[in-house]
Amino acid sequence: GAGVSQSPSNKVTEKGKDVELRCDPISGHTALYWYRQSLGQGLEFLIYFQGNSAPDKSGLPSDRFSAERTGGSVSTLTIQRTQQEDSAVYLCASSLGRVDGETQYFGPGTRLLVL
Amino acid sequence: AQSVTQLDSHVSVSEGTPVLLRCNYSSSYSPSLFWYVQHPNKGLQLLLKYTSAATLVKGINGFEAEFKKSETSFHLTKPSAHMSDAAEYFCVVSDSGNTGFQKLVFGTGTRLLVSP
Repeated sequence: GAGVSQSPSNKVTEKGKDVELRCDPISGHTALYWYRQSLGQGLEFLIYFQGNSAPDKSGLPSDRFSAERTGGSVSTLTIQRTQQEDSAVYLCASSLGRVDGETQYFGPGTRLLVL
Repeated sequence: AQSVTQLDSHVSVSEGTPVLLRCNYSSSYSPSLFWYVQHPNKGLQLLLKYTSAATLVKGINGFEAEFKKSETSFHLTKPSAHMSDAAEYFCVVSDSGNTGFQKLVFGTGTRLLVSP
């Protein structure tokens, strides 16, 4: 079966522009997570979706960041008015969403560079 | 809140010698702990995980880790390093907290260098 996929794999944008990053989780996984990996901050949690429940947005760094998950499957992370400090690798992960300690499967990431 | 500390940012070994990557955790209850590996320009791959079953956990590629509650440690070991083991390794704790969901909290990573 296919793993978690993300697109685009690389994105270069100009400061102030909006970007959309896409994640396709593993089929049947109800839990979906976004993380960010940057040089200064390491790997940090951004947002979590579980089924049809309201997402947990506690990790989003500012109100320029938002995410949605349509139909309980594909998710889009949107960054508005990008800043240079947004440059990072954005990772998506999914899991079955049933028990604590279950494995999260990661996608290859989207490398974002803001000029 | 849960946290993990990886004590070494870089570890260098020779091929064929043992590997030890150290990790200490902080948790208010029995944690779920993971080791993930990230090869250059590749995604994160799960090596092994501990979820309150056997304290000695065996993973892929000959790696294993031992959960020691008395020492709050979860060190990763391998008896004999291979060149292909060169990568970044992350110790991770699952933080359910009061939210009921499983947020992963990552350590800062240890870069393993393997020389011939």
